[in-house]
Amino acid sequence: DGGITQSPKYLFRKEGQNVTLSCEQNLNHDAMYWYRQDPGQGLRLIYYSQIVNDFQKGDIAEGYSVSREKKESFPLTVTSAQKNPTAFYLCASSATATGNTIYFGEGSWLTVV
Amino acid sequence: DQQVKQNSPSLSVQEGRISILNCDYTNSMFDYFLWYKKYPAEGPTFLISISSIKDKNEDGRFTVFLNKSAKHLSLHIVPSQPGDSAVYFCAASRSSGTYKYIFGTGTRLKVLA
Repeated sequence: DGGITQSPKYLFRKEGQNVTLSCEQNLNHDAMYWYRQDPGQGLRLIYYSQIVNDFQKGDIAEGYSVSREKKESFPLTVTSAQKNPTAFYLCASSATATGNTIYFGEGSWLTVV
Repeated sequence: DQQVKQNSPSLSVQEGRISILNCDYTNSMFDYFLWYKKYPAEGPTFLISISSIKDKNEDGRFTVFLNKSAKHLSLHIVPSQPGDSAVYFCAASRSSGTYKYIFGTGTRLKVLA
C-alpha cells in the first residue's frame, strides 16, 4: 500500500525544546517537501529536497532543519529558534521536482505549550 | 510576493449547481498547474492537473480551464455535491529546470443541500 506516512499525528512541545516530525514515503519518489499551514492560511514551503543528500530552503526555513539521508525519509526538526511553531505540518513527495503531481501525507499537528 | 492567488476565500453553492473556483498566477514560467481538495486536519488530496500545452482538462465532474494569456485557471465542479464541501487549493510549477510547487491560499467551498 503506497503512500506517505507522517508521525506523530499530534505532538505537544514545551517552549525551548526541539522536536522532530517524521515523514516516510514508499512511492519511490525523488523529491520530498515540507509545508506548513496555519489556521485560515495557505500552504507555505519550509524545505524541499530534489534528491537524496540534497535539500534547499523554502520560503519560511528559519527555525527549521531537515536531512535527506535516505530516499524514503525526510524528517523535519522544529528548533527552539522557530518563534511560532504551533501549526499543521504537511509532508509531500513527487516523482521528480518539476512537472509532476505532488502527493501529501495526512499531516502532523504541533502545539507548543 | 504571492505568485499564486486565490482571491475568493469562500464560496457557497447550491447542491446540483456548478461551482467555479478561480486562481491567478503571476510567473509566466509556470507551465503545470494542479488543484487539491483539503478537509480539516487532513492532507490535501490531488484532484486534477493541467499542462500549459492544453487549455482544458476534464475528469468526471471536475474540469480545469487554463487561460495562459490572462494567467488564470479555474476549476469547475458539476454538479456540486455536499461532499465537495472543503478547501480547494491551486498550485503551480515548472516542468523543466528546478522549481518548487507554489500554492494559493485556498478557497473554502460550501455546497448547500
